[in-house]
Amino acid sequence: QVQLQESGPGLVKPSETLSLTCTVSGGSVSGDYWSWVRQPPGKGLEWIGYIYYSGSTNYNPSLKSRVTISVDTSKNQFSLKLSSVTAADTAVYYCARFITSAYYFDSWGRGTLVTVSS
Amino acid sequence: QSVLTQPPSVSEAPRQRVTISCSGSSSNIGNNAVNWYQQLPGEAPKLLIYFDDQLPSGVSDRFSGSKSGTSASLAISGLQSEDEADYLCAAWDDSLNGPVFGGGTKLTVL
Repeated sequence: QVQLQESGPGLVKPSETLSLTCTVSGGSVSGDYWSWVRQPPGKGLEWIGYIYYSGSTNYNPSLKSRVTISVDTSKNQFSLKLSSVTAADTAVYYCARFITSAYYFDSWGRGTLVTVSS
Repeated sequence: QSVLTQPPSVSEAPRQRVTISCSGSSSNIGNNAVNWYQQLPGEAPKLLIYFDDQLPSGVSDRFSGSKSGTSASLAISGLQSEDEADYLCAAWDDSLNGPVFGGGTKLTVL
């Protein structure tokens, strides 16, 4: 069973860039799609985007201008960068494996809370 | 405002059966598979149902899913206290070109 673990700063200042990394263990990033999903406190889930191991990406149009997702197959990791953050970007950020045969997330990280505040 | 619509909460007694609805449109549920997730308090979502009605390995057969038109339902039979959680539906949306979620339904086992 593949396992995912998010890492990165828990506090980011407004207007700065949020950066998170997801480390995959028990399997390889190669051959699969990998995604980021977030959940603001007390609210529902929002898909941020996904990346194929080859590097092709698909982003949520509402975030596309600020999001970059990349993959490092040598480290078995993929990463999220979200620029120009505001308080509205405060959320628990999850990384997950995305299965495109029926468009579902079958493995999730535990999530990491990122707070945007000065 | 979530793209898929779920009731905020449902409640039922132990050993009973409950259903949770999820309403969408032709661009999501009406044209694509529905998936369900269980989110226990303070934890990450866990895949519960995929491709409308399929159970992942290890998920109890007390859970079942169905879909009709632009709506889907999750049924839980033989309710147990451990089933108290948020349940979220999701589907691919052709207009967004990405997955969308429901707002979640909090299940209380009385």
